[in-house]
Amino acid sequence: GAVVSQHPSRVICKSGTSVKIECRSLDFQATTMFWYRQFPKKSLMLMATSNEGSKATYEQGVEKDKFLINHASLTLSTLTVTSAHPEDSSFYICSASSLLNTEAFFGQGTRLTVV
Amino acid sequence: AQTVTQSQPEMSVQEAETVTLSCTYDTSESDYYLFWYKQPPSRQMILVIRQEAYKQQNATENRFSVNFQKAAKSFSLKISDSQLGDAAMYFCAYRGDNQGGKLIFGQGTELSVKP
Repeated sequence: GAVVSQHPSRVICKSGTSVKIECRSLDFQATTMFWYRQFPKKSLMLMATSNEGSKATYEQGVEKDKFLINHASLTLSTLTVTSAHPEDSSFYICSASSLLNTEAFFGQGTRLTVV
Repeated sequence: AQTVTQSQPEMSVQEAETVTLSCTYDTSESDYYLFWYKQPPSRQMILVIRQEAYKQQNATENRFSVNFQKAAKSFSLKISDSQLGDAAMYFCAYRGDNQGGKLIFGQGTELSVKP
């Protein structure tokens, strides 16, 4: 299957600062990327969908000013958690798909801890 | 809106035995895809098996097979000859035909394998 690389795998940041998470498709062009949030022992909750070159579509209840998503190229999408608070601590996972695939490919995930 | 339901938060199986994980879904679409993903402690999402709704034949992948009942909107996963490495969270997921890779996940089932 195709490879999606997510970086960093773990990050600790101070409350009030911003942190950027990158999601790269290494061997295919990802027309669409998805960002999920997962709490321990819980399911993946879709936060937003991003299409290359256009604004992201956020799910209901997700603050677009808090979670900035950029999908500037067909191989890279970024999620920036702005003015992070301890309640933003979570596991964030990206996935990517192309027009040629019926399945989405997942990154390794990022564990964010805000102290 | 589509929904996916996994009614078994936890399941346990003896090594070498067979276990079935349940999944039901609700949709008004006629064309869609169903998936089972495995999430081990590393939290990397791994595709286990995929089923296209237009195919009547149940998908199989080595020790993993599904029982797809389209009319009943049921999509269970059977794991045969269970191995210790099968212990993980298992998520059932739905994707509409025109959703561009967007997945709707069930709540997950935590499978433990006893030696």
